[in-house]
Amino acid sequence: AQSVTQLDSQVPVFEEAPVELRCNYSSSVSVYLFWYVQYPNQGLQLLLKYLSGSTLVKGINGFEAEFNKSQTSFHLRKPSVHISDTAEYFCATSGGSYIPTFGRGTSLIVHP
Amino acid sequence: GAVVSQHPSWVICKSGTSVKIECRSLDFQATTMFWYRQFPKQSLMLMATSNEGSKATYEQGVEKDKFLINHASLTLSTLTVTSAHPEDSSFYICSAMGTGATGELFFGEGSRLTVL
Repeated sequence: AQSVTQLDSQVPVFEEAPVELRCNYSSSVSVYLFWYVQYPNQGLQLLLKYLSGSTLVKGINGFEAEFNKSQTSFHLRKPSVHISDTAEYFCATSGGSYIPTFGRGTSLIVHP
Repeated sequence: GAVVSQHPSWVICKSGTSVKIECRSLDFQATTMFWYRQFPKQSLMLMATSNEGSKATYEQGVEKDKFLINHASLTLSTLTVTSAHPEDSSFYICSAMGTGATGELFFGEGSRLTVL
C-alpha cells in the first residue's frame, strides 16, 4: 500500500521569500513521486517528477524537490516566491500499481 | 507535453436532469483515464478508473448507476451524472495516464457542475 502525507494544509509566505512544502510518502515498492499545482477553478498540472537518478529534481516555475529515501520525503522548494505562485499544491506517489495516490494538498498563499 | 481537454468547463442544470462531461486526450492514446471529484478546499477524490473497451472500476461508495462512465475510444472518456441533485454539485476532473507506466497523469481543465 502507498500513502502520501502533506503535513501543512496552508503555508502563508511573503513575496520573494523562500518556501518549502513538505511531503512524506510510504510505499512498499519502488516509488515514483510527483508534485502538481492547481490554480483556482482549473485542473492540475505537473510541476516536477522523480522517477530515478538524481535525487534533486528541477521543475517548472523555479520549483525543485529533493527525494530523500531515508526520510521518505519529497519536499518542494522555491528560493523566491511570486504572487502568481499562490495555488494549491499536491504531492503524489505511484508504486507497483501505477495508480497514483494524492496527498490532501497544501494551499500556498503568497502575500505582497 | 500530452494534452487532455475536458468539456464543458462550467455547467448549470436543473435537478433531475442528466449531464455529460467529456474528457479527450488530444495528442496521445489513453488506455486508462481517471475521474476525480473535488470538494472546496479538499483533495481529489478518485471516483473511478476508466479503461478503454471495458467497464469502469468504481471506488467504494461511488454509485455506478448515478455516475456513468464510458471509455469508448482511446481518446475519449465520458462521465454522465444521471438524475442530478444539488448534492452532486462539485468540481469534476478527469485525467489520463501517460505512456511509460510511471503513474504520471495529465489532467483536464475540470468541470464545475452546479445543480439547481
